Amino acid sequence: DTGVSQNPRHKITKRGQNVTFRCDPISEHNRLYWYRQTLGQGPEFLTYFQNEAQLEKSRLLSDRFSAERPKGSFSTLEIQRTEQGDSAMYLCASSATGSRGDIGELFFGEGSRLTVL
Amino acid sequence: AQSVTQLGSHVSVSEGALVLLRCNYSSSVPPYLFWYVQYPNQGLQLLLKYTSAATLVKGINGFEAEFKKSETSFHLTKPSAHMSDAAEYFCAVSVVIGDMRFGAGTRLTVKP
Repeated sequence: DTGVSQNPRHKITKRGQNVTFRCDPISEHNRLYWYRQTLGQGPEFLTYFQNEAQLEKSRLLSDRFSAERPKGSFSTLEIQRTEQGDSAMYLCASSATGSRGDIGELFFGEGSRLTVL
Repeated sequence: AQSVTQLGSHVSVSEGALVLLRCNYSSSVPPYLFWYVQYPNQGLQLLLKYTSAATLVKGINGFEAEFKKSETSFHLTKPSAHMSDAAEYFCAVSVVIGDMRFGAGTRLTVKP
């Protein structure tokens, strides 16, 4: 399977614990995005990488959220000191650089569902 | 900042009937517009994309959408619904790379 892969698919944790999600994008894609999706809502943009550079992180929900893409390949999203309000689906997407700066299609993974008890 | 509004969180049609899912956008510059579909327990999949090349955009599975600047709309249509079209549909807008904003989604139900 050469699509976007996310792990784990489900994570149940207790409030106050740290969690980390991993995303493996499509191999030739240089852009990687993290979104959060809560029930009944559309995906909410969190952060974006071009290669290893994090070009937008102001929309991360709080300083408890951080993301890395150390070698420009896979990425991790960490949530520290989880709260019940963090329960959601965390989506990863990747895209290739389009011609003339074209805003290309995002290819999404199946998501990582977080439940904070 | 750019945004989209999807009118109707739930739409129900009979099999074979016209599907119409509504999306209005807000943007201060010419936007890129997208429709994505999400089936249960699956990731979002692109249906179609508007990039200013043509106002009527054809996508996969028989769907199409028309960009109407005067109405700031990008409604999704399909002439004849199929049971397999039942899913959640999201409209999205982007004006810069790295910032795609989604609507709240419309759940389509298809009745036999």
